[in-house]
Amino acid sequence: NAGVTQTPKFRVLKTGQSMTLLCAQDMNHEYMYWYRQDPGMGLRLIHYSVGEGTTAKGEVPDGYNVSRLKKQNFLLGLESAAPSQTSVYFCASSYRQHNSPLHFGNGTRLTVT
Amino acid sequence: AQSVAQPEDQVNVAEGNPLTVKCTYSVSGNPYLFWYVQYPNRGLQFLLKYITGDNLVKGSYGFEAEFNKSQTSFHLKKPSALVSDSALYFCAVRDDGDSWGKLQFGAGTQVVVTP
Repeated sequence: NAGVTQTPKFRVLKTGQSMTLLCAQDMNHEYMYWYRQDPGMGLRLIHYSVGEGTTAKGEVPDGYNVSRLKKQNFLLGLESAAPSQTSVYFCASSYRQHNSPLHFGNGTRLTVT
Repeated sequence: AQSVAQPEDQVNVAEGNPLTVKCTYSVSGNPYLFWYVQYPNRGLQFLLKYITGDNLVKGSYGFEAEFNKSQTSFHLKKPSALVSDSALYFCAVRDDGDSWGKLQFGAGTQVVVTP
């Protein structure tokens, strides 16, 4: 039982490049989330999904796109990276019940130069 | 809309002394409250939650938290801190009236436990 797995762990991009962050969970969770973590700002929700084939915007969705073609996978895409997207990105998943805690991956550290 | 405040950026405590990390919240409905811990270069780990019932909630690694509805607080506590408790702690809240259950995180409190 691996939990939530994120790839890659680290990445350096140049401004304007694109990339996809991969997230996989093996807990059969309905909900999946992408957060970014920046110093002093806690975690901010980028996009989330309440089920296969459905996605929705969070607090800071601009510059990002997501897809959830399979229940266990949630992909985060950056079409044209900007320095403001330098951050640590976390994927999380949970059951649909509101009292269910989130399970987090170990993060992807992205630097955009 | 829900919100969470962690008033202290950092808490310093000597090993063996009691540890308290403060959290206050605001929701429209009833709160579901959570504490998470983050060690360096790792994701957040769930510590404990309050849903309903007893105001004192016990969680992992000897931590507990006290829910106070009148003060809208959910402070994290540990009777005797360990050096290994040094980490970043996040409080989070969900509003039970929210249709999909968005979880709002506080900014985090860095805990430093000195030997």
